[in-house]
Amino acid sequence: AQKVTQAQTEISVVEKEDVTLDCVYETRDTTYYLFWYKQPPSGELVFLIRRNSFDEQNEISGRYSWNFQKSTSSFNFTITASQVVDSAVYFCALSDNYGQNFVFGPGTRLSVLP
Amino acid sequence: KAGVTQTPRYLIKTRGQQVTLSCSPISGHRSVSWYQQTPGQGLQFLFEYFSETQRNKGNFPGRFSGRQFSNSRSEMNVSTLELGDSALYLCASSFTSGYSTDTQYFGPGTRLTVL
Repeated sequence: AQKVTQAQTEISVVEKEDVTLDCVYETRDTTYYLFWYKQPPSGELVFLIRRNSFDEQNEISGRYSWNFQKSTSSFNFTITASQVVDSAVYFCALSDNYGQNFVFGPGTRLSVLP
Repeated sequence: KAGVTQTPRYLIKTRGQQVTLSCSPISGHRSVSWYQQTPGQGLQFLFEYFSETQRNKGNFPGRFSGRQFSNSRSEMNVSTLELGDSALYLCASSFTSGYSTDTQYFGPGTRLTVL
């Protein structure tokens, strides 16, 4: 069965600090997809990134970066120079190759204090 | 391109009643999935519809059902509501062909309160 673990339930940082959100996944599939979503207080899940299991390149998008390591089954997310607007719940998710088993982690609540 | 829309946004019902939630996917998306989000259980998958057929189902009782129409719009129905059904119900759409997966884009959700 597929499983996603986000060990950090809540994180608080002061604005401009860097913060890393951890995600560890379990799957027996050789082809799978990993995602990160952000859920601000408004409630709508906002897509941040998708990565397939064959692409282990790290990715940087502005202040966001993702580190995918198949050897440790991890897909961590780093926010550089955090801002108050980054405050939200962040979910890591895992899908099989056909999108038929979409599993979310429990989420990490990030609070960025001014 | 318009995003995923869900109606209504808020709903208050009493135990024993039934409720129908609606979801309109992004234009061109053929797959619609439903999720229940509660503080205790997190985000849980309810079911997925693709081309009017239920393709996948989560571990929820038969009181939870859904359907998809030819225009890909989807409805979710919960019968005989229980207090524990109070949750944020999220709909997501994707352009899943059936042979590969695509990113799911989520609507704003319907917050259901059962009294």
